[in-house]
Parts: sequence; structure tokens; C-alpha cells
Amino acid sequence: AQTVTQSQPEMSVQEAETVTLSCTYDTSESDYYLFWYKQPPSRQMILVIRQEAYKQQNATENRFSVNFQKAAKSFSLKISDSQLGDAAMYFCAYRTRRGGTSYGKLTFGQGTILTVHP
Amino acid sequence: DTAVSQTPKYLVTQMGNDKSIKCEQNLGHDTMYWYKQDSKKFLKIMFSYNNKELIINETVPNRFSPKSPDKAHLNLHINSLELGDSAVYFCASRSEVGTPNSPLHFGNGTRLTVT
Repeated sequence: AQTVTQSQPEMSVQEAETVTLSCTYDTSESDYYLFWYKQPPSRQMILVIRQEAYKQQNATENRFSVNFQKAAKSFSLKISDSQLGDAAMYFCAYRTRRGGTSYGKLTFGQGTILTVHP
Repeated sequence: DTAVSQTPKYLVTQMGNDKSIKCEQNLGHDTMYWYKQDSKKFLKIMFSYNNKELIINETVPNRFSPKSPDKAHLNLHINSLELGDSAVYFCASRSEVGTPNSPLHFGNGTRLTVT
């Protein structure tokens, strides 16, 4: 079974600075998807960024980018020019590409609470 | 206009009661899910339905029974509620066809409190 680990329960950053959230995962599969979701205090789950394992190029979405290290099974999220609205809990998630009963299932990490200081 | 909508947003009830949470999506997705977020914010899948058929059933007590009357709806019925059932329950959906990396779209969650 796949597992996802976020080793930083809490992180903080000054507004306009850069912060990196860590995520590692364990899998025996070679093809899969990775996601970062954001959960603000409103508790809505918002997709931040996604990465296909077969793509070597790191995904980017505006101020958000990932550092995907497939061999190391690492998928960190970098937030540049941090804004107050980035304050939230961030979840890393894994999804298999295989069919069967696990297809489509997201396995989440424990989450990292990000605080942004003005 | 809401893509995935859950009702109610908050549910407070007593132990032993039976309650239901409704979920509807208007995205045309063929797969729907229920996730549970516990007090430590850990998210875990409970069920998944594809075209009204049960695909994923994690180790969830049989007091929890999902029902999918059609592709756009996945309701969650909980019998004999226990204190440990207190959590936030999220409905989600996605399309299994088309873009393979399509993400889950989540509802806003239902906070269930059992007293």
C-alpha cells in the first residue's frame, strides 16, 4: 500500500518570501500522480498543483512549483512571493494509475499548517 | 453554480441516532467519493462509486452505507451514531474518462458532531 508522509506539521513564512513544504511517499509503482491540495480555515479543499510521475519536468502554477524527485520519492511544494491568502493547511496526495479497486483513490499525507506573517 | 454540493454543512446529533448526508455534483463526472477528515485533520477515503457501482469500500463499519441513486448523487447514511463518528465528511467527484490526471473536486464538507 502506498503511504504519504509530510514531516513538517507546521511551517511559517514572511509575506513576500519563499517557503518549501516537504512530502515523501512510498510506492512500488512506476506510474502515478501526485497532488498538492490547500485547505484554508473555510475547510474547502482546493487543488494547488499536480504532477504526473512519467513527466520529468516539474509542474508550475503561477507562484507555486514543485520539486519532483522520482528516485528519492520526494515531491516538495515551493511557494514564492508568499501572500496572506496562502495561509492554510497543505496536503500532499498520491494517486495510482493502475486500474482495479484502488483506481482514483487519493492517499493523503498528514498535512502541514502554513502560517504567513505580514 | 456550485460544482460539488453537500448538505447539511453542520450536523449535530446524539449517540444512537441515524443521519444522512447528501451530495450532488453537476460536473458530469462518473465517479464520486466519500472521505473522512478526523480531529487531527487526517483525510482518509471511505467509499468510491463509479457509474453508481461501488468500487472502493475501505474498512468502514457497516453502520455507514453509501447510496448512489444516479451518477450525480452519492449519499451517506450512518446508523447508530457513535462519538467516534464525529468528523468532517467530504464528498468528491472526478471523471475517470478523458484527462487521466484529472483531480478530485471536493464539496465543502459536512461537520458531524455526535454528543
